[in-house]
Amino acid sequence: GESVGLHLPTLSVQEGDNSIINCAYSNSASDYFIWYKQESGKGPQFIIDIRSNMDKRQGQRVTVLLNKTVKHLSLQIAATQPGDSAVYFCAENPSTGNQFYFGTGTSLTVIP
Amino acid sequence: SQTIHQWPATLVQPVGSPLSLECTVEGTSNPNLYWYRQAAGRGLQLLFYSVGIGQISSEVPQNLSASRPQDRQFILSSKKLLLSDSGFYLCAWSRGYSDGYTFGSGTRLTVV
Repeated sequence: GESVGLHLPTLSVQEGDNSIINCAYSNSASDYFIWYKQESGKGPQFIIDIRSNMDKRQGQRVTVLLNKTVKHLSLQIAATQPGDSAVYFCAENPSTGNQFYFGTGTSLTVIP
Repeated sequence: SQTIHQWPATLVQPVGSPLSLECTVEGTSNPNLYWYRQAAGRGLQLLFYSVGIGQISSEVPQNLSASRPQDRQFILSSKKLLLSDSGFYLCAWSRGYSDGYTFGSGTRLTVV
């Protein structure tokens, strides 16, 4: 299968600080990427997505950056709040494939 | 709007017993359906996906099977559970291969 890896398995940030979660992907043919948030005991929820024709996309307090040259994806969370504590997964969809491939996830802990 | 239902939320089963987890989607037709398994502290492993009634693709050899008896119903089964089948099982749907997934709330299965 595809390899979607994350640089840091855990991340702790102070409430109010900005968080950056990184993801490396291996398939240069991937053209669609999604970040999911999974709270304990729940299913992953869609946060934000980006297609390969873009390098940046912003949502509410979240920004996704895509660097296709180095096959790197990042999720930035502004003014991190305790409710942001969760595991974050990146997922890639190769244009030639029929499924998304998920990374191991990064566990984000927000310190009040 | 579309909703996905997955049950039960938790399940404790003895080794060697059968398993049946059910997933249904409402508000859409002909969805792609997926079963994932998530081990503790790990990423999401795709088990099965289905693009239509009676059409099942298996990603990894295992002790489990899947069926799609109706357009919006996806069932995960086992005839005899193993200890290694313990995990968090997630059902998901999408409109197409290149569309994001919407996940159910998951089933925590513990085989004892």
